[in-house]
Amino acid sequence: DGGITQSPKYLFRKEGQNVTLSCEQNLNHDAMYWYRQDPGQGLRLIYYSQIVNDFQKGDIAEGYSVSREKKESFPLTVTSAQKNPTAFYLCASSLTGLETQYFGPGTRLLVL
Amino acid sequence: AQSVTQLDSQVPVFEEAPVELRCNYSSSVSVYLFWYVQYPNQGLQLLLKYLSGSTLVKGINGFEAEFNKSQTSFHLRKPSVHISDTAEYFCAVSRVNDYKLSFGAGTTVTVRA
Repeated sequence: DGGITQSPKYLFRKEGQNVTLSCEQNLNHDAMYWYRQDPGQGLRLIYYSQIVNDFQKGDIAEGYSVSREKKESFPLTVTSAQKNPTAFYLCASSLTGLETQYFGPGTRLLVL
Repeated sequence: AQSVTQLDSQVPVFEEAPVELRCNYSSSVSVYLFWYVQYPNQGLQLLLKYLSGSTLVKGINGFEAEFNKSQTSFHLRKPSVHISDTAEYFCAVSRVNDYKLSFGAGTTVTVRA
């Protein structure tokens, strides 16, 4: 069953802690993306990767980091430098960087 | 850079009534246009997209949208809604041959019996 999986569904972060959100796809897509969703603001691009071992900053990359060591995986780390991390995080992928994006189910990050 | 405005933040509608969700965009170059739907606490699902060709695009679940280049609009319509259409709807735009999607703020549709 092909698709995009994100884990965990809910994640709690303590002050000063780094946390990592997982995103895996078995669609054989080259490009992967991370978005942040806040109420009433739509989605904003954090990072994207068009190919393995390469990634670029999006519009709101500060306080976040990513890696792309495997084609199917694009984990996002929310660092302690991100002062307002509470949000819904969505991962997406596309066949290439110019194709339609398909989304995972999301991870909701909450700060304790 | 391109931008998207969804003109209604909330649209209440009765079951079996028609609904229209308005989306306007701004861009100095040709664009691709998309509508996504998001059910509560879920990811986004593609409803339909306009890349080229016919300006009337049909999507899943009985939705359709019309691309109007002169008015820079891409309004979404459904002739008869169901309770299950209650969700948030996002319009998005990208420049032709570009990866980057710009999203509108979303329209929440609430269908009542």
